[in-house]
Amino acid sequence: GQNIDQPTEMTATEGAIVQINCTYQTSGFNGLFWYQQHAGEAPTFLSYNVLDGLEEKGRFSSFLSRSKGYSYLLLKELQMKDSASYLCAVLYNQGGKLIFGQGTELSVKP
Amino acid sequence: DTEVTQTPKHLVMGMTNKKSLKCEQHMGHRAMYWYKQKAKKPPELMFVYSYEKLSINESVPSRFSPECPNSSLLNLHLHALQPEDSALYLCASSLGTAAGNEQFFGPGTRLTVL
Repeated sequence: GQNIDQPTEMTATEGAIVQINCTYQTSGFNGLFWYQQHAGEAPTFLSYNVLDGLEEKGRFSSFLSRSKGYSYLLLKELQMKDSASYLCAVLYNQGGKLIFGQGTELSVKP
Repeated sequence: DTEVTQTPKHLVMGMTNKKSLKCEQHMGHRAMYWYKQKAKKPPELMFVYSYEKLSINESVPSRFSPECPNSSLLNLHLHALQPEDSALYLCASSLGTAAGNEQFFGPGTRLTVL
């Protein structure tokens, strides 16, 4: 199978930094996406990694290690509106087949 | 226009009904997708269309029938559904199916089968 593992839930404080980890099976790997999904809404794209290293986009950064089958999403200066589910999704082989992890439910508290 | 639209937003149907979900994008994307999402679960891929041709069917039951009339439209025809088919149905599109093409999601249709 193509198991993608991420923590089920996390809690953090407003203004803090939180790191959400994701591990995946490396065979057939062709890129990794992070999406944010608020309850009752569509997933929205946050970041994409296909090469090793860190991609930074404002308060959000994403890291990838292809050899380790590992990625993380780093959220800085947390805001209450960041409370949402964060989905790690891996593109396997070609054809657009995106496999999602179970999602990490992040709660940001004052 | 940088969004994917879906209609209807909500749909309630009986097990003997026939209904259709519609999805539209005007971003010039040539790949379109249907996903099913149950509560507290991630989206699960159902179908992929690339250049208006079905390229992936994830062993979806035949009571779900996709159709891509043109490059901007994607339909999902529903017939004889079961209560366990109740879910949020998400449509997505991307420039293509190659690596690096982010998928843009529509707001979804929340389907309830009675």
